[in-house]
Amino acid sequence: QVQLQESGPGLVKPSGTLSLTCAVSGGSISNNHWWTWVRQPPGKGLEWIGEIYHSGSTNYHPSLKSRVTMSIDESKNQFSLKLNSVTAADTAVYYCARGNANSWGNWFDPWGQGTRVTVSS
Amino acid sequence: DIQMTQSPSSLSASVGDRVTITCRASQSISNYLNWYQHKPGKAPKLLIYAASTLQSGVPSRFSGSGSGTDFTLTISSLQPEDFATYYCQQSYSISTFGPGTKVDIK
Repeated sequence: QVQLQESGPGLVKPSGTLSLTCAVSGGSISNNHWWTWVRQPPGKGLEWIGEIYHSGSTNYHPSLKSRVTMSIDESKNQFSLKLNSVTAADTAVYYCARGNANSWGNWFDPWGQGTRVTVSS
Repeated sequence: DIQMTQSPSSLSASVGDRVTITCRASQSISNYLNWYQHKPGKAPKLLIYAASTLQSGVPSRFSGSGSGTDFTLTISSLQPEDFATYYCQQSYSISTFGPGTKVDIK
């Protein structure tokens, strides 16, 4: 079955760039799915960050759009998130997930285990 | 953004109890509503999609209902492995999640 695993630095300095990668195993990233990032700040709920298709098409949350870049590497079967100009408010557990979009909606399954990123000097 | 609310925010229940969690959208979302179970340190798990369709492999004690703005997740007989936080998510527009309902042991 498809599995996802996030990786990246756990500590990022304020004003720096957060960079995470999600490795997909057990299935091809080139299949008909939107690959998604979701985050959860400490003590808060889940927040959808954005999604990318294997063609490179992207959709980002409007509140993050100016700072987010997503990319996909089909040869490595992975996709990535970059968030620049980070502040303490970007401290969160970051999850990657596979989006399943069709006429009935869009749901996320499976998810990675999540990776904790702290923004601090 | 479409705002999602959940009630209660937390509940205490015993094994075998019937548990109902409510999710409400700030506007009609048809049946574009999904439910997830999340345990600390684990990946969130999809339970229900399109308001009432049980994800493959999910026990039948979980069920979902509703449309428009009001939705419910029901666990017919709570099991020890069901103690977790449950989130709803709408996909009618840019995805948003409810704040979660934590189910713990009474």
